[in-house]
Order: sequence, then C-alpha cells, then structure tokens
Amino acid sequence: GAGVSQSPSNKVTEKGKDVELRCDPISGHTALYWYRQSLGQGLEFLIYFQGNSAPDKSGLPSDRFSAERTGGSVSTLTIQRTQQEDSAVYLCASSLAPLRGSSYEQYFGPGTRLTVT
Amino acid sequence: GDSVTQMEGPVTLSEEAFLTINCTYTATGYPSLFWYVQYPGEGLQLLLKATKADDKGSNKGFEATYRKETTSFHLEKGSVQVSDSAVYFCALSAPPAAGNKLTFGGGTRVLVKP
Repeated sequence: GAGVSQSPSNKVTEKGKDVELRCDPISGHTALYWYRQSLGQGLEFLIYFQGNSAPDKSGLPSDRFSAERTGGSVSTLTIQRTQQEDSAVYLCASSLAPLRGSSYEQYFGPGTRLTVT
Repeated sequence: GDSVTQMEGPVTLSEEAFLTINCTYTATGYPSLFWYVQYPGEGLQLLLKATKADDKGSNKGFEATYRKETTSFHLEKGSVQVSDSAVYFCALSAPPAAGNKLTFGGGTRVLVKP
C-alpha cells in the first residue's frame, strides 16, 4: 500500500515569504506528527495531531509556524515570514492511534527539503 | 524533559567487523525505545524497538536490549556489510497518553568499507 507522502520534495524560497508543506498520511492512521531535521538541531518534534486536533504543539519553534489537519487525513505545515534558520528537512510521520499499553510504529515520509535564501 | 544521547560519528568499519553504537536516555516516564535508520537518499525507517525492560529488539542482524538499570539501548551487529552504511538514530517515545512523540538522539553515521 501507499506510504506517507509529502510535497513538495524540495522548496527554495526567499527570506520573508510564506511556505506551505503538505503531508498525506497512510490511510487509517489517525495520529500524525511533524518533525524537523536540521544540521544544528538534529531531529526535533514539532507537532502531533490525533484526528483533526493537535493536543501537543510544544515543538513549534515560534508563532510563525502553524499546522492544520483536515478530514483526519491531509496535514499542512505553514511557515510565515520564513527565516534562514528555518532551512531544514521537514518530516511527516503517521501511525495508528496511541493506545494505553501500545506504542505503534511511526512511518515516515521522504521529507520536504526547505531552503530559505 | 526527555533526552537521548548517542555516540557521535562517523564510525568507519571494515566489512564483517563488529558494530556497537551506544545510546543512553533520560525519561520521566517508562518509554519505549527505538532504533531508526536512514540510508543514503532515503527516508527514516524503523530498524527495531523494545517496549519494556530486558526486551531485546532485533532485525536484519541488529540487536539492542532495553536496560532500565543503566538507561541504555545500545545497538549491535556482529558482522556488518557495506549495505549497512547509513545514519542510525536512537529514539524514545513518550507514553501513549502524551501521544507517543519521538525524542531522537543526534544520529551516528556509519560507513562500512569493503
């Protein structure tokens, strides 16, 4: 079956512009996660969705970052007024709903490489 | 907060050598532990996992044992191949009630030479 897909695969944008990154999770996966992979910070958690709600937004680095999820499926991560330090690979992952006593595998997409010039 | 520390790379080995990558963690709860691998040009994929103390995860000849007393989850492989060249990430997950978000170590790049 299809895995997690992300688009675009690469995005180059000018400082100050807004960007939208898209994630299509595996069908039936109600949990969706965004992570960021950068040279300076490694792999870091950004936000977690369960269905359409985001019970944990603790990793979003500033209020320029926001995300939404609609229909319990597709998610969009939006970065406003991009800065050079936003340059990174943005990874999306999905899994079955976390349940008491269970830790389900997260399946990762290929990522979106964002370069802010 | 939760954190994961793993040995820095790069680690360069010859084929058929023994590989160990150390990983230790701090966590407020009782986490599940994972090793993820990122092959060149590919996405992150789960290599193995362990969900409770003394569990051993294994896959593709790799093994790691959940040691609660030493808060460690070291990755080992007895005989590496060139195809094992990749970046390896140790990770822990928050409890299900906190959404299972992953906390990663810094990654260890492994290069296996023929």
